[in-house]
Amino acid sequence: DAMVIQNPRYQVTQFGKPVTLSCSQTLNHNVMYWYQQKSSQAPKLLFHYYDKDFNNEADTPDNFQSRRPNTSFCFLDIRSPGLGDAAMYLCATSRDGASGRDTQYFGPGTRLTVL
Amino acid sequence: AQSVTQPDIHITVSEGASLELRCNYSYGATPYLFWYVQSPGQGLQLLLKYFSGDTLVQGIKGFEAEFKRSQSSFNLRKPSVHWSDAAEYFCAVEREGAQKLVFGQGTRLTINP
Repeated sequence: DAMVIQNPRYQVTQFGKPVTLSCSQTLNHNVMYWYQQKSSQAPKLLFHYYDKDFNNEADTPDNFQSRRPNTSFCFLDIRSPGLGDAAMYLCATSRDGASGRDTQYFGPGTRLTVL
Repeated sequence: AQSVTQPDIHITVSEGASLELRCNYSYGATPYLFWYVQSPGQGLQLLLKYFSGDTLVQGIKGFEAEFKRSQSSFNLRKPSVHWSDAAEYFCAVEREGAQKLVFGQGTRLTINP
């Protein structure tokens, strides 16, 4: 029944050690998003894929990368995590995105801890 | 640029009492408006959305919201809250074709027994 799945739910990494977070969807949606949410803050969009087209937010650090090998999967790579990257990472999908009359469906999130 | 303001960072109400969470947006045209709820350690769940038409929108879990263009507001209401409604609530706006949500800062709801 799950629609947007994120693995793992909790991830612990060491300072500077690359980490990959995974998102998959069963909705066959065109658009996939990655958000960063720090404690007591609103989600902040990092980037999104419209089909295979990658759209990076202007203020997303280079340390954050993403891959979308197929419609169902999208990955968030953090090349050298710093202490400030500890956060909840949320994946979301939407069916089309072009019209704006779209709903984003969120996964349960991955809580990243950086030691 | 679009913005969303949720004036109340934290609200406490008693179980069974009515609830209203405020949301104001800044956008020239009619925006697409959303309310999401987030329980601790969880993702965001859509409560309701407004695209056009009837300005009073019904959502899940007994919530409703009213779009008021003259006040640039989209306030969330519930006539009688339950302890399980304790969570963080986010208002969000999307403009046509943007493929992006702009979130408010959120309102944390605490329920007193």
